[in-house]
Amino acid sequence: GAVVSQHPSRVICKSGTSVKIECRSLDFQATTMFWYRQFPKQSLMLMATSNEGSKATYEQGVEKDKFLINHASLTLSTLTVTSAHPEDSSFYICSAREGSRETQYFGPGTRLLVL
Amino acid sequence: EDKVVQSPLSLVVHEGDTVTLNCSYEVTNFRSLLWYKQEKKAPTFLFMLTSSGIEKKSGRLSSILDKKELSSILNITATQTGDSAIYLCAVPGGTSYGKLTFGQGTILTVHP
Repeated sequence: GAVVSQHPSRVICKSGTSVKIECRSLDFQATTMFWYRQFPKQSLMLMATSNEGSKATYEQGVEKDKFLINHASLTLSTLTVTSAHPEDSSFYICSAREGSRETQYFGPGTRLLVL
Repeated sequence: EDKVVQSPLSLVVHEGDTVTLNCSYEVTNFRSLLWYKQEKKAPTFLFMLTSSGIEKKSGRLSSILDKKELSSILNITATQTGDSAIYLCAVPGGTSYGKLTFGQGTILTVHP
């Protein structure tokens, strides 16, 4: 149980384009989903928290207009990187949490490369 | 502000060695501490600790929480090359939406 999927696993795009990443909880209802960014050999940096049906809460320094998050259902959250630039290249990971449980389960991550 | 510190930041051992990874925390309204293992993809859940002094064990991995010292250790015995990974410690924040504060991670490299 507690499987989280992410799609795509890898994406290469041109500078200026937008990229959408999907995060799905496959066998549980995720009341809260989290989006992280990770640079090589570094820990995870939380970007935003999304609760189903409400606006995402962004961490300080994360541009909400650049990283659009939608959590339309209890099993799906999407992160759209708008007008991507090379500095947005990173490993993006989502996690999901069921109800008030403490444990977060992570998706396999999406490697984004912006040329 | 919640804070999680891991040590060492990196560790290189040979197969068969035993390693101990440390995690200390400062957090308001502590409820639990989580350990994750991250290889090439996203972190996989190892343990959740809520009670002090009770060891959790899974194969060669074990972990224990010390609420008095505000810390936890993760032990790996008889290490194998497949144990090479980043080990992350995380603590849920004091707010209701359960944001995790992560430590910097310990990069473990096990040589054959």
